[in-house]
Amino acid sequence: DSGVTQTPKHLITATGQRVTLRCSPRSGDLSVYWYQQSLDQGLQFLIQYYNGEERAKGNILERFSAQQFPDLHSELNLSSLELGDSALYFCASSVGLLGPAKNIQYFGAGTRLSVL
Amino acid sequence: AQSVSQHNHHVILSEAASLELGCNYSYGGTVNLFWYVQYPGQHLQLLLKYFSGDPLVKGIKGFEAEFIKSKFSFNLRKPSVQWSDTAEYFCAVNAVYGGSQGNLIFGKGTKLSVKP
Repeated sequence: DSGVTQTPKHLITATGQRVTLRCSPRSGDLSVYWYQQSLDQGLQFLIQYYNGEERAKGNILERFSAQQFPDLHSELNLSSLELGDSALYFCASSVGLLGPAKNIQYFGAGTRLSVL
Repeated sequence: AQSVSQHNHHVILSEAASLELGCNYSYGGTVNLFWYVQYPGQHLQLLLKYFSGDPLVKGIKGFEAEFIKSKFSFNLRKPSVQWSDTAEYFCAVNAVYGGSQGNLIFGKGTKLSVKP
């Protein structure tokens, strides 16, 4: 168990809908990262938050957004869903930004999203 | 842009065979290097990491990796694989600049199947 908790484990929804994925980081970790894993694209970085603020953006669509709350949990919102959004969405957390010893990312079990 | 290449998409070995999985990255500066493993149906787990120092890094479950800076490589090795090593292996890199780290860039993964 990595200490990173993601809910729900599975989500089945229809095209055009909106869903919210939730992530609770390891105790003490300030950074949260979101990744999308699909068969064709592999593991792609979406976005990073550090202590409530957005720090970096990767290949995140405009239909997707995220936030990190004061208690450090994070939510990834996916809207106007398309079939191609079906994937495994991982959250990871790390202690912080600075120092190589602190930059180990620990991954949650993921949320499998199926868009029908 | 930084990229990570894993040479083999799928490797099939018999138990007790030796394993070497290739990983090359493209970034000329200082990097942190990681190997993650994803067992079927599970989340990504850290196998080993390289930040600095001895380029031969030992990880969990008998795995090791060697950082060869001149070749931009970080190959994963295990002298004798077991059936339980069947999993997907991901190489990941992040660049280090100005005292902070860039985001993790993952390779597309190598599926390892070990025949009993």
